[in-house]
Parts: sequence; C-alpha cells; structure tokens
Amino acid sequence: AQSVTQLGSHVSVSEGALVLLRCNYSSSVPPYLFWYVQYPNQGLQLLLKYTSAATLVKGINGFEAEFKKSETSFHLTKPSAHMSDAAEYFCAVSFSGGYQKVTFGIGTKLQVIP
Amino acid sequence: GAGVSQSPRYKVAKRGQDVALRCDPISGHVSLFWYQQALGQGPEFLTYFQNEAQLDKSGLPSDRFFAERPEGSVSTLKIQRTQQEDSAVYLCASSLGDSSYEQYFGPGTRLTVT
Repeated sequence: AQSVTQLGSHVSVSEGALVLLRCNYSSSVPPYLFWYVQYPNQGLQLLLKYTSAATLVKGINGFEAEFKKSETSFHLTKPSAHMSDAAEYFCAVSFSGGYQKVTFGIGTKLQVIP
Repeated sequence: GAGVSQSPRYKVAKRGQDVALRCDPISGHVSLFWYQQALGQGPEFLTYFQNEAQLDKSGLPSDRFFAERPEGSVSTLKIQRTQQEDSAVYLCASSLGDSSYEQYFGPGTRLTVT
C-alpha cells in the first residue's frame, strides 16, 4: 500500500529563514507526489507536483521540492519564509496508470515567527 | 471562473439524524472525489466518480455513507443515522482526469454530530 510520512507535525521558523518540510513516501512503483497547502477554514491548494519529469519541481509562492528516489523523499523548501506562509502543508502520493487513489500525510503546521 | 463549492459550510446534526452534503465541481471536470478530514489529520479518501460512475467507494467507512453524482456534475454525500465519530470536515475535489491531474478542493463542510 502507498503511504507518506511527514516528519514534524509542527515546524517553526523565523521570518526570512529557510523553510524545510519533510516528506518520505513508501511505494513499490514510480509515484506521483504532491504538496498541498491549507489555510484556516479553506480547502487545499496545490503547491507543486512531481509526475516523473524533472526531479526538481518548482511551485507557487517560491516553494520547490526535490524528488530523491534513493532516499524515497520529496521534501518541500523555500529559501526565505514570509508571514503569509503560515499554514498547514500536506504531502500526498498516488501512482501513474489511470485512476489511483491519492493518499495524504497527516500534515505539518508551519508557524512563522516575526 | 468559479471554483469548487460546497454547501452547507457548517452542519450540526443530532446523533441519529440523516445529513446531505452537496458539492458543485468546476464545470467540465470529469473526476470528483470526496474526502473526510478529522481534526488534526490529513484528508482521507472516501469515494471517486468519473462522470456519473462511482468507480471507487472503498473509503466509505460504513454502509451509512452513500454518495451519488447522477448527472455527472453535482454530487451529494449522504450520511444516515449520524454518529459522533462522523464529526469531521468533508472535502470535495474535482479534476480534469485521473489522479495525476491537479485536484481542486472546495472549502469543505464541517459536520458536528452532537
């Protein structure tokens, strides 16, 4: 079964500091990987996705993630945190080949300290 | 254009009552997904429609949960004889195709069963 593990349910960074949110996946076949962001009382918004093209994926709001097969990781980074980045971030996985169920991690709540 | 909309946004039900949650997907989106998000957790898959066909209902937690999309657009998630453990946010998402495509999420319906 596919799964993702997000390390750290809460992460705090200072404004202007590097953001690093960790995600590891479990899969026996090549995965599709996603990062979503959720602001309070809102639905999820896609930040970026990996679908077997370039391993370094750039997304919206200055975020990027790198697919590392050897480490089964897809960590999310942003060079400089902004107050507006405070939200909950979800890593998710599915697989190629028609419809496949998307499985989400439990989320990481990012706090940005001024 | 309009995004995914859900109604009601908040629903309080007494234990044992039936509820119906509505999802209006983005026009032209073939795929529609329902997720359940418990407090402090990531979204968990409930069911998937491709047009009017319900292709996967493996995530529905019990036979009290029923979903339909009769004309391939609006979908309704019905929960019969609600229980306290049904309290959660119910998210609807739509996409152009299979799970490799971006899913666009609605704001969710927060169901509280008292």
